[in-house]
Amino acid sequence: EDQVTQSPEALRLQEGESSSLNCSYTVSGLRGLFWYRQDPGKGPEFLFTLYSAGEEKEKERLKATLTKKESFLHITAPKPEDSATYLCAVAGGTSYGKLTFGQGTILTVHP
Amino acid sequence: DSGVTQTPKHLITATGQRVTLRCSPRSGDLSVYWYQQSLDQGLQFLIHYYNGEERAKGNILERFSAQQFPDLHSELNLSSLELGDSALYFCASSVGSGTEAQPQHFGDGTRLSIL
Repeated sequence: EDQVTQSPEALRLQEGESSSLNCSYTVSGLRGLFWYRQDPGKGPEFLFTLYSAGEEKEKERLKATLTKKESFLHITAPKPEDSATYLCAVAGGTSYGKLTFGQGTILTVHP
Repeated sequence: DSGVTQTPKHLITATGQRVTLRCSPRSGDLSVYWYQQSLDQGLQFLIHYYNGEERAKGNILERFSAQQFPDLHSELNLSSLELGDSALYFCASSVGSGTEAQPQHFGDGTRLSIL
């Protein structure tokens, strides 16, 4: 069974203070790892897909990286509007269509 | 705006009742997925439909059923409701059949409250 563990559960940063969120996964044949952002009262918003170890993707202040066991979401010089819950999900080799999500990291950026 | 539309946004009902949640996927997307999000369980996959056919089932209760219609919209039916069914129900859609690891795009959900 695919499993995803995210850490930390919650992270408080000052504006401009860079940090990383971790997503550890166990999956039989990773087909893709996804990062989403979820704001209160909204659905998850797609950020990135990573397909193989060594792959990196960037968008504004966010950079996602992937190894064979984990993924990191690096946040550089965050702003208060980056405050949200960040979710990691995997698509495993035998679970076509199904995404297995982690519990998320609640990020709060203080001005 | 993801382009996925879910109605209603909120539902309040009583135990033992039946409700129907509706989802319109993004234009051009053939796959629809349903997820349940609760505080203790996080986002849990329920079921996947592709072009009208059921493709995969997660831990979906027998009291729950879904279907995808020829116009590609989908409905999730929940019956004999229990207090524990209170949760956020999300619909997502993607272009492909699910065999490819494509991103799924989520609607803003239906909040179901059972009194």
